[in-house]
Amino acid sequence: GDSVTQMEGPVTLSEEAFLTINCTYTATGYPSLFWYVQYPGEGLQLLLKATKADDKGSNKGFEATYRKETTSFHLEKGSVQVSDSAVYFCALSKGGSEKLVFGKGTKLTVNP
Amino acid sequence: DGGITQSPKYLFRKEGQNVTLSCEQNLNHDAMYWYRQDPGQGLRLIYYSQIVNDFQKGDIAEGYSVSREKKESFPLTVTSAQKNPTAFYLCASSSRYLGQDTEAFFGQGTRLTVV
Repeated sequence: GDSVTQMEGPVTLSEEAFLTINCTYTATGYPSLFWYVQYPGEGLQLLLKATKADDKGSNKGFEATYRKETTSFHLEKGSVQVSDSAVYFCALSKGGSEKLVFGKGTKLTVNP
Repeated sequence: DGGITQSPKYLFRKEGQNVTLSCEQNLNHDAMYWYRQDPGQGLRLIYYSQIVNDFQKGDIAEGYSVSREKKESFPLTVTSAQKNPTAFYLCASSSRYLGQDTEAFFGQGTRLTVV
């Protein structure tokens, strides 16, 4: 079945450091890919998405590029802030599917 | 403001009790979902509904039940048959069946603890 694999956490960075969270997927067909973010004690919010190969999703300084050849959708940010501390989930969905398939999440802590 | 409201935020259940988690949305979305979140396991789908009076089991439906009598409401009952109910429960909705370009909107979650 379809699946998403994220890098194991937790990840701890200093403010202004560069962030990469790896995400790879296994799926038949042409899924859409998403990054969701969950701040402490809250639900998930969509951070960015890409719906076809080579698309780049971006939001709030975060970026991710849909790479079909490597089945990857790595999340990057050039300079993290303390307020970026959260759990980040990579996910996929396909046309006609009833659900999002999530990775296990990666907890990011940014220290001042 | 449009959104999804889950209540209560915290819920405590005694052994052998059924409890119901509320989920209401005013986004006029057709589809609604219940996910369970456990530490280190990501989110797993419990039930989903595409339309009023219709719902389907997800990956971990055993011990849970739902109803969809109104478009805006999708309550989840955690029954005594669910052997390990302590978890964080998230309700979500989308304008239509999840597909290539459909965003899911999530509520704030309910943390259920068995005492």
